[in-house]
Amino acid sequence: ETGVTQTPRHLVMGMTNKKSLKCEQHLGHNAMYWYKQSAKKPLELMFVYSLEERVENNSVPSRFSPECPNSSHLFLHLHTLQPEDSALYLCASSQNHGSQNGYTFGSGTRLTVV
Amino acid sequence: SQKIEQNSEALNIQEGKTATLTCNYTNYSPAYLQWYRQDPGRGPVFLLLIRENEKEKRKERLKVTFDTTLKQSLFHITASQPADSATYLCALDNQAGTALIFGKGTTLSVSS
Repeated sequence: ETGVTQTPRHLVMGMTNKKSLKCEQHLGHNAMYWYKQSAKKPLELMFVYSLEERVENNSVPSRFSPECPNSSHLFLHLHTLQPEDSALYLCASSQNHGSQNGYTFGSGTRLTVV
Repeated sequence: SQKIEQNSEALNIQEGKTATLTCNYTNYSPAYLQWYRQDPGRGPVFLLLIRENEKEKRKERLKVTFDTTLKQSLFHITASQPADSATYLCALDNQAGTALIFGKGTTLSVSS
């Protein structure tokens, strides 16, 4: 375990379903992130939260909805997804937002949209 | 817009040799540059961070250089081992300074 826990590890959902991805860290970090990783593409930044406030929404479609109820938890709510949304969704945390500290990543949720 | 290029998609080397991976970036002057290792089906693992005023950083068998004139970082693994086989990602801060953006990665295979 890296200190960042993501659940579920695998998720298969239909295009009309609603599901949520969960991320939890108890490292005392102030910033949390969602990234999407598709085959043959670099990690794509989706959302950035710092001290529970969203500081970046990287032109992500509204069918992805993040929630950060406290500094230890981050959710990604999914609804009416498309097959091209199938990917590995990675959560990360860092001491502060930005790049002056290394990020700790979870193992990811492998999402398949059918 | 910012661009990060990791020139080789794949690199194959013999055990015991030094692996050298390249990261080039354009349209930006990052204050920090980071390297990560990613194994299949797992999240990236942080390896090293280097600041713009540091030329070189070492950690055990790893060495990173940062040339802000060339806009390039080199990542070296000396005395490579089969266990070093993985994808290595270069990352630097986005223009807003809020998060890291990543290169596509170089997949290293070390054969015994």
